[in-house]
Amino acid sequence: EVVLTQSPGTLSLSPGERATLSCRASQTVSSTYLAWHQQKPGQAPRLLIYSASMRATGIPDRFSGSGSGTDFTLTISRLEPEDSAMYYCQNYGTSPTYSFGRGTKVEIK
Amino acid sequence: EVHLVESGGNLVQPGGSLRLSCAASGFTLSDHDMDWVRQAPGKGLEWVGRTRNRPQGYTTDYAASVEGRFTISRDDVKNSIYLQMNRLKTEDTGDYYCVVWISRVGFWGQGTLVTVSS
Repeated sequence: EVVLTQSPGTLSLSPGERATLSCRASQTVSSTYLAWHQQKPGQAPRLLIYSASMRATGIPDRFSGSGSGTDFTLTISRLEPEDSAMYYCQNYGTSPTYSFGRGTKVEIK
Repeated sequence: EVHLVESGGNLVQPGGSLRLSCAASGFTLSDHDMDWVRQAPGKGLEWVGRTRNRPQGYTTDYAASVEGRFTISRDDVKNSIYLQMNRLKTEDTGDYYCVVWISRVGFWGQGTLVTVSS
């Protein structure tokens, strides 16, 4: 089973700053099936990034994903107040289980 | 437009059963893999199980925490998938979401709340 470890647990930054979120896998994950999801309080999650680096429809270009193998990164280039949320990475292609990381909380000062 | 609507969440006693539904529209259900994902109050996301598409034989997989208690089924005619939950435990409490994967892109429903309590 692939275990995804996200760091840091919490990121507290000011508007306009750059946020870098890490997702490390316990074994190689296909980049084709690595996703990042965003969840704001009281809302359902939504997909931000799929296939490690592809933005989902409607996602602003300040969000970008990169990485391969066991190390993946979500970058928010210029934080906006509405980016305050939990961010989860997920392996959704290496079966038989499709685990999530424990999440990174992004707080905007 | 892809649309998923979960229903069936309720208050149930420990040891009881519940069946959740996920009604889908905007795509052909048999062509795609679908997941159930849950979230306990104040906790992170937990993958529960997957039903694969027709080309993959509608096979299913489950998280270890629900294996043997939960069963995913689908009705392609009704454009719906289901999560049958038996022998429920208090730790099964949370929001339950269905997710469809279309060409590697995931779409989420809005969720339904399950509360397991005496």
